[in-house]
Amino acid sequence: GNSVTQMEGPVTLSEEAFLTINCTYTATGYPSLFWYVQYPGEGLQLLLKATKADDKGSNKGFEATYRKETTSFHLEKGSVQVSDSAVYFCALRIPNSGAGSYQLTFGKGTKLSVIP
Amino acid sequence: DAGVTQSPTHLIKTRGQQVTLRCSPISGHKSVSWYQQVLGQGPQFIFQYYEKEERGRGNFPDRFSARQFPNYSSELNVNALLLGDSALYLCASSLQGQNTEAFFGQGTRLTVV
Repeated sequence: GNSVTQMEGPVTLSEEAFLTINCTYTATGYPSLFWYVQYPGEGLQLLLKATKADDKGSNKGFEATYRKETTSFHLEKGSVQVSDSAVYFCALRIPNSGAGSYQLTFGKGTKLSVIP
Repeated sequence: DAGVTQSPTHLIKTRGQQVTLRCSPISGHKSVSWYQQVLGQGPQFIFQYYEKEERGRGNFPDRFSARQFPNYSSELNVNALLLGDSALYLCASSLQGQNTEAFFGQGTRLTVV
């Protein structure tokens, strides 16, 4: 079956530190990969995505590269801010997995806290 | 444009009761999915509907059911509530297509006591 494994949290960083959150996946077929962010008390927001091998998704200073050879999609940011404090979820979707099908498989999430 | 809207935002129910959660997708979106997010975990897929037909079902018991209406809004029903059903229930809508994005609502926080 399909699954996503994220590094265990919580992660606590000082402002302007470098961030890496590891994500690896197991999937049948060729998944699209996503990072979602959840701020306290809110739903999920798409942060970035990549739909094929070697694609790089980027948004708001965050980046992740789809690595098929290592089945990974690690999230990185060069300089975190206090406002980046949130829970980050890695997810996959198998395109064309069924007529009209749209199903996301999520990791357990990694809580990031950035301190001034 | 309005995003995905869910109602109610919070709900407290007693064990054994039944609950109905509602979701209105973004205008033009015909696909609606439901997810359960238990505290401290990632969302788990429950159902997906497209054009009023069920297109996917996750590993949840038959106490969970859903439907989609002609205006593409959706309801999730849970019967015979258990304490373990306490969670944030998220609805997501999307356009149909291989590389489209799912947009999530704020969720309904269900507490079963």
